[in-house]
Amino acid sequence: KQEVTQIPAALSVPEGENLVLNCSFTDSAIYNLQWFRQDPGKGLTSLLLIQSSQREQTSGRLNASLDKSSGRSTLYIAASQPGDSATYLCAPGPGAGSYQLTFGKGTKLSVIP
Amino acid sequence: EAGVVQSPRYKIIEKKQPVAFWCNPISGHNTLYWYRQNLGQGPELLIRYENEEAVDDSQLPKDRFSAERLKGVDSTLKIQPAELGDSAVYLCASSLGTAGYTFGSGTRLTVV
Repeated sequence: KQEVTQIPAALSVPEGENLVLNCSFTDSAIYNLQWFRQDPGKGLTSLLLIQSSQREQTSGRLNASLDKSSGRSTLYIAASQPGDSATYLCAPGPGAGSYQLTFGKGTKLSVIP
Repeated sequence: EAGVVQSPRYKIIEKKQPVAFWCNPISGHNTLYWYRQNLGQGPELLIRYENEEAVDDSQLPKDRFSAERLKGVDSTLKIQPAELGDSAVYLCASSLGTAGYTFGSGTRLTVV
């Protein structure tokens, strides 16, 4: 059974800082990995999808990397803004024998103006 | 393109009452999922549909939960009777192949 750990559980940074969110997972037989953002009381918004054949994906100030062999992914946020405050969830995707996303508990990010 | 649409957005019911949630996935997405998210936790899968067939419902509490996906499009998740511990956010998602998941805004259920 896939297990996902996200570190840190919470993070508070001043506006403008660059930051890294970490995700580790136990089953590396995945087809892809997705990072989501969740605002309080809201659903999940997909940020980045990394296919297993890729090493990283970039979207604006966000960059996500994937190292399947070591079971790790990182989400890098450059020049953080107060609007980035949210919970970020890592979800290793379907793989051999599994068709579901498995989520970590997330990292709650607060960017202080 | 409309995303995954869920309704209602919020629901407050008394325990032992029934409740139903509705989901309309992205057009053409053959796979539909229902997840439950408890406060402070990541979402957990309840049931997965491939077209109209429920292919993974191992985590669905079948004594009180039921789901259907008629014609392989819209889906309904029902709880009867609801318990206090069912209070959570119920999320619907859809996908096509390995192109990633799209989630709806969720239904926040409060059982009092």
